[in-house]
Amino acid sequence: EVQIVQSGAEVRKPGTTVKISCKLSGFTFIDYYIHWVRQAPGKGLDWVGLVDPEDGQAKYPQQWRDRVTITADTSEETVYMELTSLTSQDTAVYYCAVIHRALVSWGQGTMVIVS
Amino acid sequence: QSVLTQPPSVSGAPGQSVTISCSGGSSNIGTDYDVNWYQQLPGTVPKLLIHANTRPSGVPDRFSASRSGTSASLAILGLRPEDEADYYCQSYDYNLIGSVVFGGGTKLTVL
Repeated sequence: EVQIVQSGAEVRKPGTTVKISCKLSGFTFIDYYIHWVRQAPGKGLDWVGLVDPEDGQAKYPQQWRDRVTITADTSEETVYMELTSLTSQDTAVYYCAVIHRALVSWGQGTMVIVS
Repeated sequence: QSVLTQPPSVSGAPGQSVTISCSGGSSNIGTDYDVNWYQQLPGTVPKLLIHANTRPSGVPDRFSASRSGTSASLAILGLRPEDEADYYCQSYDYNLIGSVVFGGGTKLTVL
């Protein structure tokens, strides 16, 4: 069974950077893309990007490319998401997820508050 | 602006049926990529409800999905109060291989 455990809530000031993590287990780490999804308060789901743990290649939608970096540590089976130049609009829950065909598993979410 | 388009809200009385639509395009749903549906209760993590028209174990058969062309839909039969939640469709997009696209979400209210 896939298990995803994310790091705890973070509070940051505007203009700073946050880096959050998710530890994955229960499957072969390099077999699937790992995704990050954001959900602002009262809003929908927004795909932030993915990393391929096998080669470390990351992909981001256009609107995130300047500020987000997703990396994978295969030795720790952990994925990181770093977001720079934070504004209040970045206040949200950030989810780490495996979304591959019928294999879908989400972490518990990490709340990031920018204030 | 979400890549996939859903109605912001739908409603129905207990026992009634509702359908939630999800409109995409030729680069996502229209390419025959899988469409997933999620249910999100307040304060919880999105839960996979339907994967490619099949229900994971434990999901009632009151929930079903279909697709045609560049659109998909989720049908809920025999509404129950506990179905009140946000529902999201999700697919993939070939413009960025591996990328995930979501609908904007639909709030289901059980009257």
